[in-house]
Amino acid sequence: DAMVIQNPRYQVTQFGKPVTLSCSQTLNHNVMYWYQQKSSQAPKLLFHYYDKDFNNEADTPDNFQSRRPNTSFCFLDIRSPGLGDAAMYLCATSMSFWSGVDEQFFGPGTRLTVL
Amino acid sequence: GNSVTQMEGPVTLSEEAFLTINCTYTATGYPSLFWYVQYPGEGLQLLLKATKADDKGSNKGFEATYRKETTSFHLEKGSVQVSDSAVYFCALRDDKIIFGKGTRLHILP
Repeated sequence: DAMVIQNPRYQVTQFGKPVTLSCSQTLNHNVMYWYQQKSSQAPKLLFHYYDKDFNNEADTPDNFQSRRPNTSFCFLDIRSPGLGDAAMYLCATSMSFWSGVDEQFFGPGTRLTVL
Repeated sequence: GNSVTQMEGPVTLSEEAFLTINCTYTATGYPSLFWYVQYPGEGLQLLLKATKADDKGSNKGFEATYRKETTSFHLEKGSVQVSDSAVYFCALRDDKIIFGKGTRLHILP
């Protein structure tokens, strides 16, 4: 089945120690998104890639970076995690960005714990 | 700017009860509207969607109708099950998705 895969499902890191979260998709979608979801809150968009074009949300901290080496993979890098970065990180894909009709397909998420 | 407001939870119901979760939106254009469901420890799954006024989205016994006149997209189900316990997010999409804060639903056997 076509899907969005996130690895690992659970990640523990230490305060200030860089961490990378991984997302892959078999849907061949053009757009890949990273969301941060804190407990009992709505997902918050951090950034998205349309193909190779990176689009950062205005309020996304510089501590968060992303890479998309090819269509299938996208990485979220947190350069110096703080306690406030502990959250569920969701990857999503869609065929297009500007079309309001296109559904976003979400991965299962990676729960990040910062010690 | 665009926004979504949904009723706060948690909502607790007995099995086979009727469910309504209210959702209203503010948008400058004509967005598509969605309900996503998030089961414990999992990512979001699209439950249903509607792309224009008066459209009714439906899936797994859930329904929601896109009401432009009241800017609403309320989620309903006639008879809930324990397995429906989850967090439900109302969302709109113009260019990017705007989510409501989510409503946690508990169904008691």
